[in-house]
Amino acid sequence: GENVEQHPSTLSVQEGDSAVIKCTYSDSASNYFPWYKQELGKRPQLIIDIRSNVGEKKDQRIAVTLNKTAKHFSLHITETQPEDSAVYFCAASNNNNDMRFGAGTRLTVKP
Amino acid sequence: DAGITQSPRHKVTETGTPVTLRCHQTENHRYMYWYRQDPGHGLRLIHYSYGVKDTDKGEVSDGYSVSRSKTEDFLLTLESATSSQTSVYFCAIKGVGASYEQYFGPGTRLTVT
Repeated sequence: GENVEQHPSTLSVQEGDSAVIKCTYSDSASNYFPWYKQELGKRPQLIIDIRSNVGEKKDQRIAVTLNKTAKHFSLHITETQPEDSAVYFCAASNNNNDMRFGAGTRLTVKP
Repeated sequence: DAGITQSPRHKVTETGTPVTLRCHQTENHRYMYWYRQDPGHGLRLIHYSYGVKDTDKGEVSDGYSVSRSKTEDFLLTLESATSSQTSVYFCAIKGVGASYEQYFGPGTRLTVT
């Protein structure tokens, strides 16, 4: 089955700096790649996603890039703010019902 | 919150006892999912349902069963709880139409002592 690896496991940045989280996947048939943000004690919330027919997608300060050849995708957060502090999860799916998640990245934005 | 509720929100139970968690949705979504979340593992799919009485196994289904007798409710049962099933359990639904997005419920924290 699909295997998703996520790096780094923890990331600390200064407010205003950029943050990048990277994920790799193993199944070349995967075609959907969402990113979730989870604040302490809360549910994971979908923040952005990308499908395999698109190389990049942007929504205000967040963007996701996908390299199908290398089987990796990344989350980019620009102009980070303290409220961006959370755990971020990537995921990959090839049939919409078996979504595999990365282990998560704890992002801390220092004011 | 996509109209998803879970009950109970917290439960402590003893090893060997049966436990049932409930996921309820109000928006007539066809697909529903149960995940468990453990430190270092992200979220892992336990079972999912693609309609009333239609269910299938996920990545970590051993020790769990599910039932869906009506569209709005998806039940997860631990027939005989073990300490390794201590976890946070999240229910999710898939968006409508051709949407791939999954939206999560608030979660149930289960502790098996």
